[in-house]
Parts: sequence; structure tokens; C-alpha cells
Amino acid sequence: EPEVTQTPSHQVTQMGQEVILRCVPISNHLYFYWYRQILGQKVEFLVSFYNNEISEKSEIFDDQFSVERPDGSNFTLKIRSTKLEDSAMYFCASRRQGLGQETQYFGPGTRLLVL
Amino acid sequence: ELKVEQNPLFLSMQEGKNYTIYCNYSTTSDRLYWYRQDPGKSLESLFVLLSNGAVKQEGRLMASLDTKARLSTLHITAAVHDLSATYFCAVDKGGNQFYFGTGTSLTVIP
Repeated sequence: EPEVTQTPSHQVTQMGQEVILRCVPISNHLYFYWYRQILGQKVEFLVSFYNNEISEKSEIFDDQFSVERPDGSNFTLKIRSTKLEDSAMYFCASRRQGLGQETQYFGPGTRLLVL
Repeated sequence: ELKVEQNPLFLSMQEGKNYTIYCNYSTTSDRLYWYRQDPGKSLESLFVLLSNGAVKQEGRLMASLDTKARLSTLHITAAVHDLSATYFCAVDKGGNQFYFGTGTSLTVIP
């Protein structure tokens, strides 16, 4: 069964450094999402992406964040200058287009630790 | 900002018992999602509810949506240990923007 994959599974970085988190959505999916979850807390929506552009973004998704679909398979989240409070689990998700296709499939996540 | 509240936050129940988790949200939405998360794991989609009065069932779990009351419920029937997890509801604000509830941590005791 196809699944969403994410790399790396863990990333440790120094404050102020740039990180890129990578996701490979399910191949015939057209909607892509990034979420984050600070340890022990709720899941927070960051951004949705469709047709090669951002569809919606939350207040968390400020100028430090960017997303890109550099080729036909990868979907990346870049954090330009990481802060301590960016430490969290980051989940990528994807879904198909169309009515009845609202189910989002989540990747295993990347645990980001900013020191 | 759209607020999504779940209660209870923590639930400990005995095997074989029934219970309901509630999800209230603060603005109009016709789309409500339920997810399960095991410790240290990703989210698994359980139900997608797309209209007022929608009811879906899978095994011992049944979810319903009342858009007028801005309320969704996740009912657990005859709980078993395997249902122990954290359950999140999430609301689609519209246009592909999602707000998650605080989560309900369920522990089923033998």
C-alpha cells in the first residue's frame, strides 16, 4: 500500500541554522500539507499546497518558513533560521483531489530538535 | 481564530465499557475529521464527516456530526485495550485550513 515518507526521521540543528525537511507524498495525490506537533501538545496546521502554490497557511507559517515541490515527487519544508521553539515533530500529509477523497494520509514525521 | 475543544482530555475506562468523546468548535464548518495517534507515532485517519447528521462507524468506534450545534462525538462501544491511544478531532475552516482539538488520551484498563 502506498504511503507518505519523510526524511530525515530525526534532525538536530543549532539555533539560527537552516533546515529542510523532505516528504514524498503518495504519487497520485494532489494536495499536500505540513503540520507540526510540539511534544505532548496538539497538532498545528502550518500550510496546504495545491497546484504548485500555497493554498492556505496559518499564523505560524511566517517568513521563516517556505515550501517547495522541486520535482514531481518531493515536497519540502524549509525553516530559514531555526529558533528553539521550532523544536517539534513535523508531519507531512497528502490526499487525492475530488469529492469523497478528503482523507489525509500522514507520513511518519521528522523530529526536529533545535539547540 | 477557530477554537476546537475536546473533552475529556484524559479518559481511563475499563474494558467492555462505553464512553463518548466530545469535540466542540467555534465557527461554522461542514467538515470534521477524527484521527488516532499512538504514542510516538503518526496520525491515522479514522473518520471524515462531511455534512450535518453524518454518522460513520468502524468497529467499536462511531462518529457523528451536528453542524448546527458545532459538535462532533466519537463513541466507543465495549472498549478493548487496543483502543488505547490519543484521539484528535480536526475542523476544516474552509479552503484547506485545519484546526485540531486538544486531543483525548484514552487508556483502556483490563
